[in-house]
Amino acid sequence: QSALTQPPSASGSPGQSVTISCTGTSSDVGGYDYVSWYQQHPGKAPKLMIYEVARRPSGVPDRFSGSKSGNTASLTVSGLQAEDEADYYCCSYAGSNTVIFGGGTKLTVL
Amino acid sequence: QVTLTESGPALVKPTQALRLTCTLSGFSVSSTGVRMNWIRQPPGKALEWLARIDWDDDKFYSTSLQSRLAISKDTSRNQVVLTMTNTGPADTATYYCARTLSRSPVGDAFDLWGQGTVVTVSS
Repeated sequence: QSALTQPPSASGSPGQSVTISCTGTSSDVGGYDYVSWYQQHPGKAPKLMIYEVARRPSGVPDRFSGSKSGNTASLTVSGLQAEDEADYYCCSYAGSNTVIFGGGTKLTVL
Repeated sequence: QVTLTESGPALVKPTQALRLTCTLSGFSVSSTGVRMNWIRQPPGKALEWLARIDWDDDKFYSTSLQSRLAISKDTSRNQVVLTMTNTGPADTATYYCARTLSRSPVGDAFDLWGQGTVVTVSS
């Protein structure tokens, strides 16, 4: 299994929207509606932001939204804020009770 | 308070085995529906899922690492243990313990993470 493909970096100005893509195959992203997204600040543990493609855990701002089309999932952050600057990782179910992560995207708030 | 705390050796010599412990607080490793995972992150690199153990002792492993991994739980100590054999420099990473989101049907989302334990494999 190869890691899911994410762009290494993304950026936007405060208040703008940015979308991060996560591309897999029909064996993972495209085959199941089980994609999750994590936010990781430097030196910290990841935090769950989205699960099952588009569901938000309690406490996650509705500025964060998820979607999926075919083999590509996306995370959109609207109304960018300085504290959104972090690394973001996608994760997909890959069958047989295994999961696979993406390579990560560094989001910079300009 | 619901927390996870990882522990283990900071330095391991190549070819040695690595044993990591995750201590659960605020909930039980044997409670129905609890599924616990190990996930690692090499310095500056991406996350990698390693293994999962369920409340009923079902175990699942990364396809690429399954021959080197063993996950278990100690219900008396409320701990999850990961053992990795034949380590090498590529196993240098921060190792996280993480709980699967209870409402996740296939175990793909992780809602509680420990702070991680840093392991260096070097002679």
